[in-house]
Amino acid sequence: EIVLTQSPATLSLSPGERATLYCGASQTVSNNYLAWYQQKPGLAPRLLIYDASTRATGIPDRFSGSGSGTDFTLTISRLEPEDFAVYYCQHYGRSSWTFGQGTKVDIK
Amino acid sequence: EVQLVQSGAEVKKPGESLKISCKGSEFTFSNYWIAWVRQMPGKGLEWMGIVYPLTSDAIYSPSFQGQVTISVDKSINTAYLQWSALKASDTAIYYCARNQGPFDLWGQGTLVTVSS
Repeated sequence: EIVLTQSPATLSLSPGERATLYCGASQTVSNNYLAWYQQKPGLAPRLLIYDASTRATGIPDRFSGSGSGTDFTLTISRLEPEDFAVYYCQHYGRSSWTFGQGTKVDIK
Repeated sequence: EVQLVQSGAEVKKPGESLKISCKGSEFTFSNYWIAWVRQMPGKGLEWMGIVYPLTSDAIYSPSFQGQVTISVDKSINTAYLQWSALKASDTAIYYCARNQGPFDLWGQGTLVTVSS
């Protein structure tokens, strides 16, 4: 089972700033089967990025994903007020799905 | 609207049984594996297991194998998550989600509270 480690645990930034979130895998993620989700308080998670770099339907282009192998990044180019939330990475593979522990992006 | 609608919040005592549900609408439910995800209070997301409506095949995370049962009734587009004997540590929000590799559609969550 692949273990995902996200960093930092908390990122304190101001609106308009760039956010860079990291997700490291304990072994190579085949086919770049890595997704990112956003979760706001009291709501279900929302899919942002899949296959490491493909934006899901309706996701603004300020969100971008990159990386391969064991190192992945989610970048939010300019934070909007609605972007302050918790972000999770997820590996999906053959009969196995695992999440990272999350990164909270809060207002500085 | 394409959606997954989950059953309402539950308050149970330790040792009681429980079955919660997740109903799909406006998409071909049988074509998608449906997953269950746990979120304990103030914590992250944990994949519990997944079921395929067409065959009722279920795959469990090793962490949840033997602790819960995942089932499905394809005739009513509904997946289920059940416990035979709840524990206080089962207190959490449980989400169902449609699998497309990543989970592209989520239910609204069901809060399960287990307390004596």
